[in-house]
Amino acid sequence: SQTIHQWPATLVQPVGSPLSLECTVEGTSNPNLYWYRQAAGRGLQLLFYSVGIGQISSEVPQNLSASRPQDRQFILSSKKLLLSDSGFYLCAWGPGQVNNEQFFGPGTRLTVL
Amino acid sequence: GESVGLHLPTLSVQEGDNSIINCAYSNSASDYFIWYKQESGKGPQFIIDIRSNMDKRQGQRVTVLLNKTVKHLSLQIAATQPGDSAVYFCAENSGGSNYKLTFGKGTLLTVNP
Repeated sequence: SQTIHQWPATLVQPVGSPLSLECTVEGTSNPNLYWYRQAAGRGLQLLFYSVGIGQISSEVPQNLSASRPQDRQFILSSKKLLLSDSGFYLCAWGPGQVNNEQFFGPGTRLTVL
Repeated sequence: GESVGLHLPTLSVQEGDNSIINCAYSNSASDYFIWYKQESGKGPQFIIDIRSNMDKRQGQRVTVLLNKTVKHLSLQIAATQPGDSAVYFCAENSGGSNYKLTFGKGTLLTVNP
């Protein structure tokens, strides 16, 4: 069966510091991968998605970036965090075939102080 | 700055009652729909999906109804339990080479014992 991991689970970072969140998927190959951000009490905002190694599509211009160095690894980064980057970051994977369903990881709670 | 607090529609039911959560979607080209359940501090969990060539699909204690004429989706939960308390999101996909899901705002379901 497929599993998706995210780490760290929680993170507190000062403004201006760098960020690296990691997501890995097991039990599948060539998945579509997604990064979302969720503000408190709100819906899901798609940040980036990838349909293959090195292929990144950005949905929202901001100071975040994403990379996919391996088939089942997706990384979200920032060189300098802003207060507004605080939120719940979710990684998801999907088979990208007939139904385009997505399955989510446990999330990372980021607080920028 | 961002306001604090929930901005979600809410539904409060008694344990054992049936719950109906509604969702209106906007894209008439959407042909695949998913309901997710998100408990506090966790990632969304896939509940049930439906394709546009169906108008009803049943799972364990859950039923999804699709009305394409009025672009409306509903999730029915039978014999609601305290463990069903969560935020429920609908999501739509327009298919083809579009691997993205568009999420609704979510509904907070509270089950009273």
